[in-house]
Amino acid sequence: GENVEQHPSTLSVQEGDSAVIKCTYSDSASNYFPWYKQELGKRPQLIIDIRSNVGEKKDQRIAVTLNKTAKHFSLHITETQPEDSAVYFCAAIGLRNKLVFGAGTILRVKS
Amino acid sequence: DGGITQSPKYLFRKEGQNVTLSCEQNLNHDAMYWYRQDPGQGLRLIYYSQIVNDFQKGDIAEGYSVSREKKESFPLTVTSAQKNPTAFYLCASSINNRGIPYEQYFGPGTRLTVT
Repeated sequence: GENVEQHPSTLSVQEGDSAVIKCTYSDSASNYFPWYKQELGKRPQLIIDIRSNVGEKKDQRIAVTLNKTAKHFSLHITETQPEDSAVYFCAAIGLRNKLVFGAGTILRVKS
Repeated sequence: DGGITQSPKYLFRKEGQNVTLSCEQNLNHDAMYWYRQDPGQGLRLIYYSQIVNDFQKGDIAEGYSVSREKKESFPLTVTSAQKNPTAFYLCASSINNRGIPYEQYFGPGTRLTVT
């Protein structure tokens, strides 16, 4: 079945710097890749997603890139702010169209 | 955020008791999902339903049961057969786009503690 690996597991950046989180997936048929942000004790919130027919998508300070050949996709956050601190999860469509999630990245933005 | 509610927020049960977690949505979504989240881990799919009166097992369905009698509601029962039921349970819903779970939205979660 689908396997999604996410790196790094923790990431500390200085406020204003950029943060990059990377995920790799195993199923070459995957065609949908969402990213979720989860603050402590709260629900995961969809922040951006990308479908396989595009290579990049941007929404203000957040962007996602997709490399289908290499089977990896990345989340880029620019000009990080303290409120960006959270756990970020990537996901990919797997067998029988189920979402498979990565293990998560704890992002800490230091002010 | 709104549109999906879960109750209660915290639930405590004794070992050996069945417990039912509520999930309701008013987004008119066809598809609904139950996930389990353990500390430091990602989300694992328990059950999902793409349409009323139909549901399928996810990756960790053993010890759980669901029903989907109404479009808005997808309750999850954690039975005494579930070996490690203590976890954070998240319900989600999405438009059923030919079975693909695009834009899945989550409820606030129920934290279940079994002692």
